[in-house]
Amino acid sequence: DTGVSQDPRHKITKRGQNVTFRCDPISEHNRLYWYRQTLGQGPEFLTYFQNEAQLEKSRLLSDRFSAERPKGSFSTLEIQRTEQGDSAMYLCASSPQPYEQYFGPGTRLTVT
Amino acid sequence: SQQGEEDPQALSIQEGENATMNCSYKTSINNLQWYRQNSGRGLVHLILIRSNEREKHSGRLRVTLDTSKKSSSLLITASRAADTASYFCATDAADSWGKLQFGAGTQVVVTP
Repeated sequence: DTGVSQDPRHKITKRGQNVTFRCDPISEHNRLYWYRQTLGQGPEFLTYFQNEAQLEKSRLLSDRFSAERPKGSFSTLEIQRTEQGDSAMYLCASSPQPYEQYFGPGTRLTVT
Repeated sequence: SQQGEEDPQALSIQEGENATMNCSYKTSINNLQWYRQNSGRGLVHLILIRSNEREKHSGRLRVTLDTSKKSSSLLITASRAADTASYFCATDAADSWGKLQFGAGTQVVVTP
């Protein structure tokens, strides 16, 4: 399967813990996006990379959130000192150009 | 914040009927895209319509775009039970290539 993959698929953590998610985009895609989706809502943009450069970050991405894409390949999204409000589905997408995006299955985070 | 708003929020139809949903947005766009999301899964790109296009077809899908009214519609003809999903419109704003802003979605249920 050469689609976008995300790991883990589910994560349950206690409030205050740090979590890290990984996204492996489609190999030839130079653009990578992170979104967050809560129940009953559409995805909200968090950040995106073109190759290894992080070009834009949403105001939703507080200081507790950090994302990296070393060498322009896979990407990680880390949330420090998790809060219950961070509970959501975290979606990763990649694209070869700024057009249609290919989404991974998402990582569902539950903060207890 | 959500750029697009879909209408209706929910739609229930029988197999063979057509399903129409609408999307309104606020800012100038490069393109508008429609995505489908099955329960608890990732999003799948359906169709992209550019700002200089008025109508586009793909299989049983027909999308229209009216930039003067900042609105779009998605028509699914001859619906099937497998079309049961949430449908989201997403806009690629004119000043932000590639970053998508999604609406809250239309939940479609197709009953056999």
